This record gives sequence, C-alpha cells and structure tokens, in this order.
Amino acid sequence: GQQVMQIPQYQHVQEGEDFTTYCNSSTTLSNIQWYKQRPGGHPVFLIQLVKSGEVKKQKRLTFQFGEAKKNSSLHITATQTTDVGTYFCAGVWSGGYNKLIFGAGTRLAVHP
Amino acid sequence: DGGITQSPKYLFRKEGQNVTLSCEQNLNHDAMYWYRQDPGQGLRLIYYSQIVNDFQKGDIAEGYSVSREKKESFPLTVTSAQKNPTAFYLCASTTRTGSIDTQYFGPGTRLTVL
Repeated sequence: GQQVMQIPQYQHVQEGEDFTTYCNSSTTLSNIQWYKQRPGGHPVFLIQLVKSGEVKKQKRLTFQFGEAKKNSSLHITATQTTDVGTYFCAGVWSGGYNKLIFGAGTRLAVHP
Repeated sequence: DGGITQSPKYLFRKEGQNVTLSCEQNLNHDAMYWYRQDPGQGLRLIYYSQIVNDFQKGDIAEGYSVSREKKESFPLTVTSAQKNPTAFYLCASTTRTGSIDTQYFGPGTRLTVL
C-alpha cells in the first residue's frame, strides 16, 4: 500500500547545529506536506510542495521535493530550542481526495 | 488551532464501553478527518468525510464509527470492538487556498481505557 518512510526517528543536536529529516515514497506523489508537532500539542501545517524539484524556504527551514516526486527533506539551519518537536511529512497521491499518509515523524531534541 | 474544537482533552473509560469523541469546526470546511496517534508514532487515518452525509473508511477503521449530519460536526465513536483504544485522537479539516491544501488540526483528545 501507499506509505511514506521517514528517517531518522530521533535526532539530538546541540543548539546551533543543523538538522535534516528525510521522507521517501516508493511511488510518485502528487504533493507532500510537512507538519510540526510540539510536545503535548497537535500537528501544525508548515508547508506543501507540489512541483518536481521544488525548494521552499521559511527563515531557517528549507524544504525540498525530489525530481521524481518520491522523496522530500526538511533542513533546519542553526537549530534553536524553539525548534524542539516532532516533524512529520505527509504524502498525497493522485486520486487520493486529499487523504494524507503520514510518515512516522522525526523527534528533534535541541540541547542548549 | 484555526477554529477546530475537540472535547474533552482527557477521557477515561472502562473497557467494554463505547465512547464518542466530539469534533466541531467553524471554518466552513467541507472535508474532515479523524486520526489516531500512538506514542512515538505518526498519525493513522481512521475515517474521513468529504461532504455532509458522506464518509469513507481510512486505514484503521475497524472498531470505530462516525457520522456527518452537519458540516460543522464529525463525531467519532470508539466501540468496544476496538481492541486497543487507548491513544491520542486528532480531528482535522481541510481548506484549499489556491493550489495548497492545508489540514488544520484540533487540540486532540487523549483517551485512556482502563
């Protein structure tokens, strides 16, 4: 079935270090979305990538969508303690009626 | 966030009892969703509804039921048939802005079955 693999499961960094999480689908996606969930909270939409090879930036966050639309990454430059949380990617396939399939998430811990 | 309410935040039930989780939105969104999240895991889709009086099973619908009689409301019933109901339940709705579909999540209900 359709699924999205996300790695790593956990990442511990020192404040100021960079962080990257990766998502991969075995089949071509229509689009991919990224969400952030703070501890004890609910997922909050960050961004949607639709085009092949698309790169979008939000301040220190850089999102990429692969040329084949099967993989994506989120890179955070110079992490801060406010970046702590779990980052999820969620894939949408054509004809999926906006049904999202979530990756397992990457939990980021930032040590001051 | 964004006008989706779920209540209560914490819910305790005895094994064998059905329980209904509420989800209300005032965003005028057509599509609504129910997800289940287990510790350290991603979200898994239980049911979704694209329009009033219509809904489809998600990936883990067994032991759950829903209704969509009003646009604003999408309650989820966790039945006694659900073998492992203790989890964090999240309701969401979707809006489209241009070409971007954004899911807004409610604050969630943490269900514990004793």
